[in-house]
Amino acid sequence: EPEVTQTPSHQVTQMGQEVILRCVPISNHLYFYWYRQILGQKVEFLVSFYNNEISEKSEIFDDQFSVERPDGSNFTLKIRSTKLEDSAMYFCASSGALQGQQYFGPGTRLTVT
Amino acid sequence: GNSVTQMEGPVTLSEEAFLTINCTYTATGYPSLFWYVQYPGEGLQLLLKATKADDKGSNKGFEATYRKETTSFHLEKGSVQVSDSAVYFCASTPYNNNDMRFGAGTRLTVKP
Repeated sequence: EPEVTQTPSHQVTQMGQEVILRCVPISNHLYFYWYRQILGQKVEFLVSFYNNEISEKSEIFDDQFSVERPDGSNFTLKIRSTKLEDSAMYFCASSGALQGQQYFGPGTRLTVT
Repeated sequence: GNSVTQMEGPVTLSEEAFLTINCTYTATGYPSLFWYVQYPGEGLQLLLKATKADDKGSNKGFEATYRKETTSFHLEKGSVQVSDSAVYFCASTPYNNNDMRFGAGTRLTVKP
């Protein structure tokens, strides 16, 4: 069964550094998403992406965040200058249709020190 | 706006007990509703879903019915197993976009 993959599984970075989290969505999917889950808290929507542009974003997704689909397979989340409070599990997801089932990747645990 | 509220728990049950985890939603129009499960150390897996009023989603013995009149989507299972121990998230997406909102999650522990 096709699945969403994410790399790395764990990223440790120093405050103020830039990080790029990578995702490979399911190949024929058109809609892509990023979510985050701070340890022990709820899963929070960050952004959705369709047709090479952001379609929705939450209040969390400020100017420090950006997303890109640099080629036909990868979907990335960049945090320009990480803060301690960015430490969380970041999940990528993809779906084949609007309101279609979203398939989640295993997540990248980001630790900012 | 689009949001869900679920019973936060934690919930501890004995094996074969009946499970209910409450979830209510607020939304404009008719959202799609989901239950996701997160096993320890893993990502989110879709458990079941319903896309319109009175739909019943079911999977692995779990069920939830989309109730428009009470804006609810409660998760139920008649007889839980130790392997059902996980965190369960209720979620919704509006009718016109993919902005999925999750509830706070309910940690279920099933004891033998």
